[in-house]
Amino acid sequence: GESVGLHLPTLSVQEGDNSIINCAYSNSASDYFIWYKQESGKGPQFIIDIRSNMDKRQGQRVTVLLNKTVKHLSLQIAATQPGDSAVYFCAGLYSSASKIIFGSGTRLSIRP
Amino acid sequence: SAVISQKPSRDICQRGTSLTIQCQVDSQVTMMFWYRQQPGQSLTLIATANQGSEATYESGFVIDKFPISRPNLTFSTLTVSNMSPEDSSIYLCSVEEGEGSGTHNEQFFGPGTRLTVL
Repeated sequence: GESVGLHLPTLSVQEGDNSIINCAYSNSASDYFIWYKQESGKGPQFIIDIRSNMDKRQGQRVTVLLNKTVKHLSLQIAATQPGDSAVYFCAGLYSSASKIIFGSGTRLSIRP
Repeated sequence: SAVISQKPSRDICQRGTSLTIQCQVDSQVTMMFWYRQQPGQSLTLIATANQGSEATYESGFVIDKFPISRPNLTFSTLTVSNMSPEDSSIYLCSVEEGEGSGTHNEQFFGPGTRLTVL
């Protein structure tokens, strides 16, 4: 079946260091892969996405890498800040149906 | 980006009762979605609600349990019927709107409704 899952349920990072959040997926039919950030008491917020035919995409302080050979997706956050504390979800988008399938989530905590 | 509000923000309900959750968007959108997020879990799509047509439910979700209304392009409701403690979750609506990152239409999420069933 379809699934998008994550390797690590929690990640603790020193403030100022880089964070890497990983995700594995089983279904290759996604047109895009998306990273969302969910802060406590809020809905998920779009961070960055990558088309399935790309390997890398950079945004402001964030980079998403896609390795289709091993069906692996990662989110890199540079110079992690306290405001980055949240749960991060990877998701696959099936654009023909506008359907998003979410992964299980990683909680990122920042050590001062 | 679309601004989405939900009512109520949270509720505590008794087993066997029903709760209707409202989702209001500040712009007209064609596609609206309802998700469930069980405690400590990820989001699971319940159904897609397009104005002028019946909602399309995902596997494991049925209309009798989660009836949905979509009377216009800015509003939708989700009812959780005959509730049991297993229905305790956060329920979120989302909308698809416009040109997101330039690659596809982006989905925006409401703040969610936290439901506890006793």
